Amino acid sequence: DVKVTQSSRYLVKRTGEKVFLECVQDMDHENMFWYRQDPGLGLRLIYFSYDVKMKEKGDIPEGYSVSREKKERFSLILESASTNQTSMYLCASSPTPTGGLQYFGPGTRLTVL
Amino acid sequence: QQQVKQSPQSLIVQKGGISIINCAYENTAFDYFPWYQQFPGKGPALLIAIRPDVSEKKEGRFTISFNKSAKQFSLHIMDSQPGDSATYFCAAILEYGNKLVFGAGTILRVKS
Repeated sequence: DVKVTQSSRYLVKRTGEKVFLECVQDMDHENMFWYRQDPGLGLRLIYFSYDVKMKEKGDIPEGYSVSREKKERFSLILESASTNQTSMYLCASSPTPTGGLQYFGPGTRLTVL
Repeated sequence: QQQVKQSPQSLIVQKGGISIINCAYENTAFDYFPWYQQFPGKGPALLIAIRPDVSEKKEGRFTISFNKSAKQFSLHIMDSQPGDSATYFCAAILEYGNKLVFGAGTILRVKS
C-alpha cells in the first residue's frame, strides 16, 4: 500500500515565523506535489518536484519555497508565515508517467495567528 | 485561471437517490479526467477516471459521463448512501503530463 505521510496533522504558528512542513512517501515515486486546500477554491498547486533537487512552481508559489534533497522527502517552507497562509496543506506523490493518479497524505491544518 | 469548473459547490441527496456533479473544462489538450473522493480528515483518493475517447465509464454505483464536444463531464452516484458523504473533486491532466488541474470541489451529504 502506498503511503504518504505528513509530519503534523495540526500546526499553530505566529505571524513571521518560519514554518517547515514535511512529507515522506514510501513508493519511490519521482513526482511529489504540495497543494493547499481552501473551501470553494479546491486544490491549488503550490510547487511540485519531478526529481531530486528539481522543482517547478505551481499556480500559487508566492510566499513558499520547497526542498527535495532525497527522493522520498519533499518539504514545504513558509519563510515568514502570514495569516493568509492559514489553510489545509496536502502533499501528494505520483509515478512517471502519472496517468492522473496521485497519492495524497492526510494533510496538515496550519493556523497562523 | 480556473481551467476546470465544477458545480454544484454543495449537494444534499436522500439515501437511495442519484447524486450528480458536473464539470466543464477549457483546454482541449486534456487527455485524462479523474475524480477524487475526500473523506473528512483524509487526503483525496482516486475514485474513477475516464479518457475522452469513451463516453461513459461505470464502476459499481459510480458512473462518469463524458461529452467531448461540449467539453463537459459528470459524476453520477446511483443509490447514494450515507457513506458516500464526502467532498468530490473532478480533475484533468494533459497526456504525459504530471500536473493535475482540479475543480473547486463538491461537498456531498447523503441524508439517511
